Amino acid sequence: SAVISQKPSRDICQRGTSLTIQCQVDSQVTMMFWYRQQPGQSLTLIATANQGSEATYESGFVIDKFPISRPNLTFSTLTVSNMSPEDSSIYLCSVVQGLLATNEKLFFGSGTQLSVL
Amino acid sequence: GQQLNQSPQSMFIQEGEDVSMNCTSSSIFNTWLWYKQDPGEGPVLLIALYKAGELTSNGRLTAQFGITRKDSFLNISASIPSDVGIYFCAGQPSNNAGNMLTFGGGTRLMVKP
Repeated sequence: SAVISQKPSRDICQRGTSLTIQCQVDSQVTMMFWYRQQPGQSLTLIATANQGSEATYESGFVIDKFPISRPNLTFSTLTVSNMSPEDSSIYLCSVVQGLLATNEKLFFGSGTQLSVL
Repeated sequence: GQQLNQSPQSMFIQEGEDVSMNCTSSSIFNTWLWYKQDPGEGPVLLIALYKAGELTSNGRLTAQFGITRKDSFLNISASIPSDVGIYFCAGQPSNNAGNMLTFGGGTRLMVKP
């Protein structure tokens, strides 16, 4: 399985500031995603990070708030902009390996625990 | 969008007991994945299922892809304290052209030594 390195692992930030989270994969992957996990909740997809083009955002998430970069097939960043306490969550990078509906698997990084004061 | 109903929400069991949890949906799914998440960590993939009726084991864990393609269960036999964590099911709906997964709400497992 892919080894996914995510940093920072945790951070405490002041409201109104921005934080950029990095995700590095040890192999080239086509599909990379960013998820949010609010306290005590399940995982919600923020966006698909597309290499060389703008990310595809899910309903309720916008580029101005969560800008995403994907400069190559092994790296992506997620920025949480103009943070408020409601943004306190775990943010997770994930990648797909395998063939759709055949043997594809979704792997996660260890997550970034964000607390906004 | 599609919803996955995962139950139970939490379980508090004695060490050595068997555990069963399941996910159901009104939609048909092509893929079912089961994850375990420890505190402060990302979810770790336990078992992946790709065919209706498929039964797959990983050590003390067994999962099945329901024959109707609308459900899946995960069993843990002879639980031990390190089984503690949150278990998530995830599925890929059949009408989803991409790789996006829908996640269940999670089952929090607590094991009493």
